[in-house]
Amino acid sequence: AQTVTQSQPEMSVQEAETVTLSCTYDTSESDYYLFWYKQPPSRQMILVIRQEAYKQQNATENRFSVNFQKAAKSFSLKISDSQLGDAAMYFCAYRSGGSQGNLIFGKGTKLSVKP
Amino acid sequence: SQTIHQWPATLVQPVGSPLSLECTVEGTSNPNLYWYRQAAGRGLQLLFYSIGIDQISSEVPQNLSASRPQDRQFILSSKKLLLSDSGFYLCAWSVGGTGNYEQYFGPGTRLTVT
Repeated sequence: AQTVTQSQPEMSVQEAETVTLSCTYDTSESDYYLFWYKQPPSRQMILVIRQEAYKQQNATENRFSVNFQKAAKSFSLKISDSQLGDAAMYFCAYRSGGSQGNLIFGKGTKLSVKP
Repeated sequence: SQTIHQWPATLVQPVGSPLSLECTVEGTSNPNLYWYRQAAGRGLQLLFYSIGIDQISSEVPQNLSASRPQDRQFILSSKKLLLSDSGFYLCAWSVGGTGNYEQYFGPGTRLTVT
């Protein structure tokens, strides 16, 4: 079975600085997708970024980028120029390829942004 | 554009009472639908998923059930609630079939069983 591990329960960053959130996963599959979701205090889950396992190029969405190390099964999220609105729980998630693959979530990292 | 609705937003129910949470999706057809539960301070646990009407899979054995009476409607139910059913319930959808794997979440329902 696939597992997702987020080893940092809490992280803190100064406004305008850069922070990296860690995620590792375990799988024997070759076809899969990885995601980072953000859950602000409103608790609605918001997709931040996705990465296809077959792509070597790291995904980027504005201030958010990932460092995808397939051999190491690592998928970290880098947030540049951190803003107060980035404060939230961040969840790493894994999905098997195929239409019926379901998301497997890590336990989350709570990010605080200091003004 | 697609939108997903959940109601009620909050619910307080006594132990042993029934439950019905509703989720509807607009702006798409034949979506995959999902129910998740998030306990306090924890990640999300998949409860049910559905790839079509009357096609529902259960991931965790429990006293909850799910139904999909219409293509874009997904209902989470229980005949008798337990204290352990308290939590935050999220409905999600994704495009059916292959090619697009993101799941989009609704605003959630906070359930407190007393």
